[in-house]
Amino acid sequence: GQQVMQIPQYQHVQEGEDFTTYCNSSTTLSNIQWYKQRPGGHPVFLIQLVKSGEVKKQKRLTFQFGEAKKNSSLHITATQTTDVGTYFCAGLDSGGYQKVTFGTGTKLQVIP
Amino acid sequence: DTEVTQTPKHLVMGMTNKKSLKCEQHMGHRAMYWYKQKAKKPPELMFVYSYEKLSINESVPSRFSPECPNSSLLNLHLHALQPEDSALYLCASSTGPLAGGPSAKNIQYFGAGTRLSVL
Repeated sequence: GQQVMQIPQYQHVQEGEDFTTYCNSSTTLSNIQWYKQRPGGHPVFLIQLVKSGEVKKQKRLTFQFGEAKKNSSLHITATQTTDVGTYFCAGLDSGGYQKVTFGTGTKLQVIP
Repeated sequence: DTEVTQTPKHLVMGMTNKKSLKCEQHMGHRAMYWYKQKAKKPPELMFVYSYEKLSINESVPSRFSPECPNSSLLNLHLHALQPEDSALYLCASSTGPLAGGPSAKNIQYFGAGTRLSVL
C-alpha cells in the first residue's frame, strides 16, 4: 500500500532559525495536504497543493509540491514558539478514492 | 461553523464493556472518517463513510463497529476491546468529492478526539 515518509522525525531549533520538513510518497499523488498538530491537540489543516511543481506561501510558511508529485516540503522561516507541534503531510493517491494517507510526521521543538 | 464535535473527551473501559464514541458535524459534509492515533504516530485511517454508506474499512477488527445514522452523525461502537486499543480516536469530515483529479478536495476537519484507555 501507499507509504508516506517524512524526515526528520524530530527537529529542535532555536527561536528565529529556519525549519524544513520533507515528505516522500511511494506512489504518485493527486494532491498533498499539510496539517499541524499541537501537543495534546488534533490535526488542523494548513494547506493543499494540487499541481506539479506548485509553491504556496502562508506568511512564514512555504509549501512545495514536487514535479513528479511524489514529494513535498514545508519550510518555516524564522521560527517562533507558536510553531511548536507535529507537522504531517497527507497524500490523496491518484486512484481518486477518499483515503488520505498521513506521513510519519515531524515534531518541531522551538527553544526560546 | 467548521467544528466537528466528539464525545466523550475521555473514556476508560474494561475489556468486557460496551461503549460508543460519538461525532457530529454541521458543515454539510458528506464524508466522515474514523482515525486511530497512537502516541507519537500519525493518524491511522479506520473507516470512511460517504453519503452515509461505508465506503472504506481498513481491515479493522470487528470489535470496532461504525455507524452513520445520518449525514451529520457518526458513531463508533466498541465491544470487547484489548489494552492495545488504547489510543486517541479522531473523527473527521470532508466535503468529498468521490472522484479524484486536480480539483479533488478532501480536506479533513478533525474533532478534538476521544482519549480511550482500555484496562
